[in-house]
Amino acid sequence: DTGVSQDPRHKITKRGQNVTFRCDPISEHNRLYWYRQTLGQGPEFLTYFQNEAQLEKSRLLSDRFSAERPKGSFSTLEIQRTEQGDSAMYLCASTSSEFYGGYTFGSGTRLTVV
Amino acid sequence: GENVEQHPSTLSVQEGDSAVIKCTYSDSASNYFPWYKQELGKRPQLIIDIRSNVGEKKDQRIAVTLNKTAKHFSLHITETQPEDSAVYFCAASRGSNDYKLSFGAGTTVTVRA
Repeated sequence: DTGVSQDPRHKITKRGQNVTFRCDPISEHNRLYWYRQTLGQGPEFLTYFQNEAQLEKSRLLSDRFSAERPKGSFSTLEIQRTEQGDSAMYLCASTSSEFYGGYTFGSGTRLTVV
Repeated sequence: GENVEQHPSTLSVQEGDSAVIKCTYSDSASNYFPWYKQELGKRPQLIIDIRSNVGEKKDQRIAVTLNKTAKHFSLHITETQPEDSAVYFCAASRGSNDYKLSFGAGTTVTVRA
């Protein structure tokens, strides 16, 4: 297990299309977080899971966004009817409930909506 | 919700000098304060963190101080080296249940050789 993996690394899509991103956390981590980062800003919290349960969603997460974590392993983040304002880096992070060592971030998926 | 402000937004230092980045937070219930380093095109990486039951923590050339009364915390890098050039983010969390982080806007540190 080499860390948190995200796929794809880059995604260019036309406005109005749907996109889905995947995150594979560190296997022994039961908590998984999604953040969004725009240029020149810090990451903004979107949502998080403990095992398969989605425990909190930010108000930033409009109805066009949905996230799942079936079976408490990998997670997907889907954006429907993409808008230019959705262009950002989407970061996934995982940690254990005991939170030793803090978050481990993935390399992110950079979304460009044209 | 939590609001974290970070200053300065950019910092240029001569190699060997010290760098200091300061953050303030709004939620008095926050009790966990990590610092992340993000190099261009790479993932944020945790470099040091502090919990509210201590006032200072040091790891080699990096130290973090916390003033809970004033609700601010700072990152200190001594004897800076070119490889310290990166964007640094502070963050705050209530911890205990979710460890959801609220990040500052970041400080771009440039170490001049």
